[in-house]
Amino acid sequence: GNSVTQMEGPVTLSEEAFLTINCTYTATGYPSLFWYVQYPGEGLQLLLKATKADDKGSNKGFEATYRKETTSFHLEKGSVQVSDSAVYFCALSDGSSNTGKLIFGQGTTLQVKP
Amino acid sequence: DAGITQSPRYKITETGRQVTLMCHQTWSHSYMFWYRQDLGHGLRLIYYSAAADITDKGEVPDGYVVSRSKTENFPLTLESATRSQTSVYFCASRAGGIAGGYTFGSGTRLTVV
Repeated sequence: GNSVTQMEGPVTLSEEAFLTINCTYTATGYPSLFWYVQYPGEGLQLLLKATKADDKGSNKGFEATYRKETTSFHLEKGSVQVSDSAVYFCALSDGSSNTGKLIFGQGTTLQVKP
Repeated sequence: DAGITQSPRYKITETGRQVTLMCHQTWSHSYMFWYRQDLGHGLRLIYYSAAADITDKGEVPDGYVVSRSKTENFPLTLESATRSQTSVYFCASRAGGIAGGYTFGSGTRLTVV
């Protein structure tokens, strides 16, 4: 079945450091891929998405490229800020079903220190 | 206010009691979803609904019941709460087609004692 695997956290970085959070997936068909962010005490917010191979999603300085050959969708940011501290979830939407159910990874906690 | 709202925000209940978590959205989105969030498991789908009166099971439906008599409401009921159902519950709705992202509510933190 479809699944998403994220690197385990927590990830602790100093402000202005480079961020990579790895995400790989297993899926049949042609899924869409997403990154969601959850700030403390809040629900999940869509950060970025990519709907086909080689697409790059970007938002708020974060980027991720849909790599079909390596089944990956790694999240990157060139210079993190303390305000980026949150839990990040990689997810896929099964393109073979009209439902488009999202399947999430386990989440990666990012802590950025001043 | 436009959006998706969940109530209550926090709930403590006793084992064996029935409890209902409410979810209301103002956009008339067709699809709505219930997830639970637990450490080490990420978010797992409990139930989803494609439209009013159409619901289906997700990954972890046992012990839960849903209904959707109106498009805007999608309540989740725990028929007889157990400690293993202590979790944070998120409701979501989907805008647009399959590639569209979900919009999530703020969650209900449920503790079963």
